[in-house]
Amino acid sequence: KAGVTQTPRYLIKTRGQQVTLSCSPISGHRSVSWYQQTPGQGLQFLFEYFSETQRNKGNFPGRFSGRQFSNSRSEMNVSTLELGDSALYLCASSLEGRVETQYFGPGTRLLVL
Amino acid sequence: AQTVTQSQPEMSVQEAETVTLSCTYDTSENNYYLFWYKQPPSRQMILVIRQEAYKQQNATENRFSVNFQKAAKSFSLKISDSQLGDTAMYFCAFMKHLYAGGTSYGKLTFGQGTILTVHP
Repeated sequence: KAGVTQTPRYLIKTRGQQVTLSCSPISGHRSVSWYQQTPGQGLQFLFEYFSETQRNKGNFPGRFSGRQFSNSRSEMNVSTLELGDSALYLCASSLEGRVETQYFGPGTRLLVL
Repeated sequence: AQTVTQSQPEMSVQEAETVTLSCTYDTSENNYYLFWYKQPPSRQMILVIRQEAYKQQNATENRFSVNFQKAAKSFSLKISDSQLGDTAMYFCAFMKHLYAGGTSYGKLTFGQGTILTVHP
């Protein structure tokens, strides 16, 4: 079974632009969570989607948004990029009712110049 | 809010030796999960071991075991017979189980991580 995939793997943007990252969960997994990893703040929870609905949200500004499609694929969008948004964005998927077992993707490395 | 603290930014160990990584957490919850994740230089996060708070028995997975002290809110990871492939960043994490719509969900709260280097 294929693992969690994230595209693109690397991205360079400039301040003020917007970006969309994609995550395809493991087949059969309907829950997708997003995390931001930076050297200064560590790993922080962004949001979680299940069955196309956001169930849980972290403490990030409204510039960070996401959605989930009927095939469980998820996207996250960051508008008006700031230098501090440079990070590794990780996506994790899990089976319904098995949230304690999350499988992580390789991440998307975003650099904002 | 829950917090997770890893007081050892870096650790090193010789191959085949044993090393223990420390983690403390703060929560008022009674039912939760604790985890150790490994993130090798390639960046793919991998679950090493999981402990359910209601279980008194410490979890073990081959060379990896935990010392779970619920009252002290301590959750350390012991790696026995260390191997070069164990070199990675190790994260301790906490999850409170939430329920809605007949299903469970939760978010991981991570510590700052411990860089472990295994020397030949």
